[in-house]
Amino acid sequence: NAGVTQTPKFQVLKTGQSMTLQCAQDMNHEYMSWYRQDPGMGLRLIHYSVGAGITDQGEVPNGYNVSRSTTEDFPLRLLSAAPSQTSVYFCASSYSIADEQFFGPGTRLTVL
Amino acid sequence: GQQVMQIPQYQHVQEGEDFTTYCNSSTTLSNIQWYKQRPGGHPVFLIQLVKSGEVKKQKRLTFQFGEAKKNSSLHITATQTTDVGTYFCAGIYNTNAGKSTFGDGTTLTVKP
Repeated sequence: NAGVTQTPKFQVLKTGQSMTLQCAQDMNHEYMSWYRQDPGMGLRLIHYSVGAGITDQGEVPNGYNVSRSTTEDFPLRLLSAAPSQTSVYFCASSYSIADEQFFGPGTRLTVL
Repeated sequence: GQQVMQIPQYQHVQEGEDFTTYCNSSTTLSNIQWYKQRPGGHPVFLIQLVKSGEVKKQKRLTFQFGEAKKNSSLHITATQTTDVGTYFCAGIYNTNAGKSTFGDGTTLTVKP
């Protein structure tokens, strides 16, 4: 099992550019989520999904879109990158919110 | 909104000393999870507490859930250099709601 994979590992964008952060899991988990982590801060929930075709907003959803067309994949789209979106992004998956979350290795994003 | 406060933000100890981090919520939690993140790494699940007053041990780590299910603590006995990292709690208020709320973490450094 690869677990939770994220691509790319690093990305530099210019303000206004768009991009998609990829996340995939091979554990047949229903629950997937995206977090951002800023220095000295905890993990803030961006969006989450409780199953294919179902997504919902977390604490900080503005500027991000998600979709969940399959159980395995949960991409995060930045619509028009801003310097405030410079952060480390983690994708996580679990059987349900009440179960252990498995985190991917993260994507370090810099927006200039 | 629902917030989980975690203290202290940083803790520096000499190897062999004990360490404790605390999480507090203003409203009752359903479950609480604990994660460890090594420098440059991703969060890794340690444990989940569900019952009021629950105490669980993992070798030198002791986890407690308060009687009112509003607070939790992680205690490490006789720290080692391998304990270095940031410890996060994640509160779940409603296991049907699909969200967990992370504390800001406590970063532990251990001086050999």
